[in-house]
Amino acid sequence: DTEVTQTPKHLVMGMTNKKSLKCEQHMGHRAMYWYKQKAKKPPELMFVYSYEKLSINESVPSRFSPECPNSSLLNLHLHALQPEDSALYLCASSHPGQGYEQYFGPGTRLTVT
Amino acid sequence: AQKVTQAQTEISVVEKEDVTLDCVYETRDTTYYLFWYKQPPSGELVFLIRRNSFDEQNEISGRYSWNFQKSTSSFNFTITASQVVDSAVYFCALSESPGNTPLVFGKGTRLSVIA
Repeated sequence: DTEVTQTPKHLVMGMTNKKSLKCEQHMGHRAMYWYKQKAKKPPELMFVYSYEKLSINESVPSRFSPECPNSSLLNLHLHALQPEDSALYLCASSHPGQGYEQYFGPGTRLTVT
Repeated sequence: AQKVTQAQTEISVVEKEDVTLDCVYETRDTTYYLFWYKQPPSGELVFLIRRNSFDEQNEISGRYSWNFQKSTSSFNFTITASQVVDSAVYFCALSESPGNTPLVFGKGTRLSVIA
């Protein structure tokens, strides 16, 4: 099973709202990732967790707050977002270490109004 | 610095034609990994293939084939007898060693297969 699930599929939120994106995998992967993808652009890495610890933060604004409560779950907490944060948010997982392929979820399409 | 270039922004072919998607990469590492992903309109990136820098064997999987040439730093992807379901954006990506080094994606090639 190479499935990564993400909820919700679509989210519309105001600039003062607080919401969370959820990602789950049951492939035994110990590395998990958040990417942001704008229309007609490649995915941009936001965060990497390795063995439930944050290992990479690509200078993401603090209004995005990741959390990895266990090896299967990855959350992205959103607060006080801007309209330019509207994008497709993709979660991925892989075995930790070099060169392993990442498996992506279907994404959450976020609109900030 | 690592970089992936997909010079073809959009390609349009008629069903059953063969099509090749180009990927050129730059890296200073001797150990690195190359990937192709497919992103259909639904949005999910689908893993297609991984190649490490020590394995220059070409690979064929059904209608898909990949040509890896270190001499030209290229990792091209050919779809034989294209089908409408092949319509998607295709990304080439590079990962250097060691550790959880991020994937560096090319800008993608949008393939449209017309019936």
